Parts: sequence; structure tokens; C-alpha cells
Amino acid sequence: GAVVSQHPSRVICKSGTSVKIECRSLDFQATTMFWYRQFPKKSLMLMATSNEGSKATYEQGVEKDKFLINHASLTLSTLTVTSAHPEDSSFYICSARGLAGGTQYFGPGTRLTVL
Amino acid sequence: SQKIEQNSEALNIQEGKTATLTCNYTNYSPAYLQWYRQDPGRGPVFLLLIRENEKEKRKERLKVTFDTTLKQSLFHITASQPADSATYLCALDMTGYSTLTFGKGTMLLVSP
Repeated sequence: GAVVSQHPSRVICKSGTSVKIECRSLDFQATTMFWYRQFPKKSLMLMATSNEGSKATYEQGVEKDKFLINHASLTLSTLTVTSAHPEDSSFYICSARGLAGGTQYFGPGTRLTVL
Repeated sequence: SQKIEQNSEALNIQEGKTATLTCNYTNYSPAYLQWYRQDPGRGPVFLLLIRENEKEKRKERLKVTFDTTLKQSLFHITASQPADSATYLCALDMTGYSTLTFGKGTMLLVSP
């Protein structure tokens, strides 16, 4: 099956620093990648959609200057949380979808804790 | 906008029984309806996808049905095992190229 990896799996940082999370599709080309965040006992909340080589489309209420997304290749997307604050602490999950559409395959997630 | 309801927040069953989870939606039928499994602290894992024109799909102990008249999908796990304990998410993709709309999930607990 299709495999999506995320790195790091866990990160703890100080308030005010920036954190970059990588999402890679390991065995297929992901024309579209998605970034979600999830709070405890809640469902996934879509943050943004990115297509390779294009600017990301952000969901309403998500600050594009705070959550920078780059989808530079068909196998890699990055999410950078800039000037992180404690309220940004959450579980961030990416997913990837191939050219044929259909199924999204999810990464294992990144737990971000901002002190 | 599309609303998705999954039958209950938690479902407890005994090992060996069949677990049946429900996903109901309110508006237009999606092109694809997908079921995922999520374990605590992990990303969702894809299980099955069923298309609008399909009635049923199976994979090992899993079976999904899709009734566009009732606007409902049922997800069955036969011969359930404690290892099947997890949260199961229903997700709708309206066109096949859309963003996913997730239900809140049903937590399944299979007791030995």
C-alpha cells in the first residue's frame, strides 16, 4: 500500500521559535497533499491543501503567514509553524493523494508541544 | 453543508462478535466514501473505499455497504478481536478530487 512518512514524530520547542514538519510520499507521486491538525478526542481539522508547484489553499480561519506550506516536489511537502506559541501545540497530520485522485493516505502525525 | 453522523461515540462488543458501525450523511451522495482506522497518537490508516455506484465491498474481515437512498454506509468487522479496538472514521469525498469531510468517529472496544 501507499506509504506516507512524517518527520519529526515529536517536537518540543520554546515559544517564539519556528518548527518545520516534513511529509513525504514514499512510493507514489502525490500531486496533492493536505495538512490537518487534531485536538484530543476531536476529529481531524483540515488546515490547507497544496498542489505540487502551486500555492497552498488555506481553510477559513487558518493564518497563512503562521502556517507556511511548501509543496516543492511530487513527494515532499513541508509545514512550518512560525513563531510558535503554546496554543499551537497540537497533533499535526499530513495526507497525500496521487494523480488518479481518490484515497488519501495519511502520515503517522507529528506531536508539537510549545513551551 | 454536508453533515456526517457516526452512530455513537463508543461501541463495546465481545471478541468474536461482529461490530457494525454506521455513517449517515445529509446532502448529496459522495463520489467516494472511505473508512479509516485511527489509534491514539497516530494518523488515520486507510481501510476501504467504496464508490457511489457500488453497493458493497469486502476486504478480509471487513465489509462496507453503501446505500445512497438511505444516505448511509455500514462498516462491519466480523470475528472481531481485541486488536480491532480503535476509533473508526468515515470520510466523504464528493468528487474523487475533493477534500475529505470526516465524521467524528466511533471508538470500538473489543473485550476478550
